[in-house]
Amino acid sequence: GEDVEQSLFLSVREGDSSVINCTYTDSSSTYLYWYKQEPGAGLQLLTYIFSNMDMKQDQRLTVLLNKKDKHLSLRIADTQTGDSAIYFCAERLPYQKVTFGTGTKLQVIP
Amino acid sequence: EADIYQTPRYLVIGTGKKITLECSQTMGHDKMYWYQQDPGMELHLIHYSYGVNSTEKGDLSSESTVSRIRTEHFPLTLESARPSHTSQYLCASSNDRAPYGYTFGSGTRLTVV
Repeated sequence: GEDVEQSLFLSVREGDSSVINCTYTDSSSTYLYWYKQEPGAGLQLLTYIFSNMDMKQDQRLTVLLNKKDKHLSLRIADTQTGDSAIYFCAERLPYQKVTFGTGTKLQVIP
Repeated sequence: EADIYQTPRYLVIGTGKKITLECSQTMGHDKMYWYQQDPGMELHLIHYSYGVNSTEKGDLSSESTVSRIRTEHFPLTLESARPSHTSQYLCASSNDRAPYGYTFGSGTRLTVV
């Protein structure tokens, strides 16, 4: 199967850390991605991780990959109001197909 | 600046009209995609193309059609719009270089009345 699941909604206070989770079913994924969609806009690639890595850090963003549990997470440190958006995880399979998750709406409370 | 452009941003049209949603990219990407996005956020792949004169249907059945006569241009056409076609349509492109990420346009919000 190629399902990629995310929780629908996450609310955090400004300055706290946010953790957005994603589970996937296909263990043959090569790359996993996090995209951000702001209101009225398309998706923007935020970060990615290669499947043989466990962790990747990029400024305030930390991606954790647990291949055994097929679990991907995105941690945003010091969350700001500008981080309010919908976040999609996605996996790329060997035959090039990319499957997007269901999306998590992050609300940052000032 | 290399980018991907969608026009129009918003379109309100009557039932039965023929419409074409435009998508152009200046990055020379071979692969292009059309997604339909629910109000509930989920993305559904409706068409994709891996190069000129190559088009395929996606996972979600759609009454729309696409063409790819030029690398940079991937228009989507609805011959006879219906209220059930009301949705957000997102165009994307990608190249063959790792990490193979997608670049998305800003989308077209279509309302059929």
